[in-house]
Amino acid sequence: QKEVEQDPGPLSVPEGAIVSLNCTYSNSAFQYFMWYRQYSRKGPELLMYTYSSGNKEDGRFTAQVDKSSKYISLFIRDSQPSDSATYLCAMSQAGNEKLTFGTGTRLTIIP
Amino acid sequence: GAVVSQHPSWVICKSGTSVKIECRSLDFQATTMFWYRQFPKQSLMLMATSNEGSKATYEQGVEKDKFLINHASLTLSTLTVTSAHPEDSSFYICSAARRVGTDTQYFGPGTRLTVL
Repeated sequence: QKEVEQDPGPLSVPEGAIVSLNCTYSNSAFQYFMWYRQYSRKGPELLMYTYSSGNKEDGRFTAQVDKSSKYISLFIRDSQPSDSATYLCAMSQAGNEKLTFGTGTRLTIIP
Repeated sequence: GAVVSQHPSWVICKSGTSVKIECRSLDFQATTMFWYRQFPKQSLMLMATSNEGSKATYEQGVEKDKFLINHASLTLSTLTVTSAHPEDSSFYICSAARRVGTDTQYFGPGTRLTVL
């Protein structure tokens, strides 16, 4: 079993829809949770960074962490074609710089 | 702020040759730099972690004699793929963090290596 599971998709939604992306994990020691966006043939770009459980909102993006269920989500509101990319979840333990990534979900927003 | 660059962005080389990839933090000092490898449609796999002035720490299964990492300054780390073979063809991505320990990693744009 992988430490971090993420549905690779592909996921296609119409422009303006709300997108929900999710990851589950098995290591209860993970404390820091991140979402990265990666365009084709580019490096990942940090979108959201959260610590422990709860919600965090930044513009059209909302990150949720439910440590009791070992489940994290990223919501994208009013999705735009420019949001088309691969979204990677990543997480790390306290005091440990090593990131463990999900496989990424490939998202396409259809105009 | 927090811009990381990589050079070259892509490289093609013959089997048996060595290739050097540079990773630079442009507007901050990076105590720690990381090197990842990403195969098509797969996630990033950490290869090694390097702290400035120290030897790199390699992940299990990564040959340290094949993937030479040097972190000579707070803004530059290099990855040299020695005696490259076609199976080394991949997308190599570096990241940099200001502090040792849990801190935001900022990623470079990646280097696509193709070994013929």
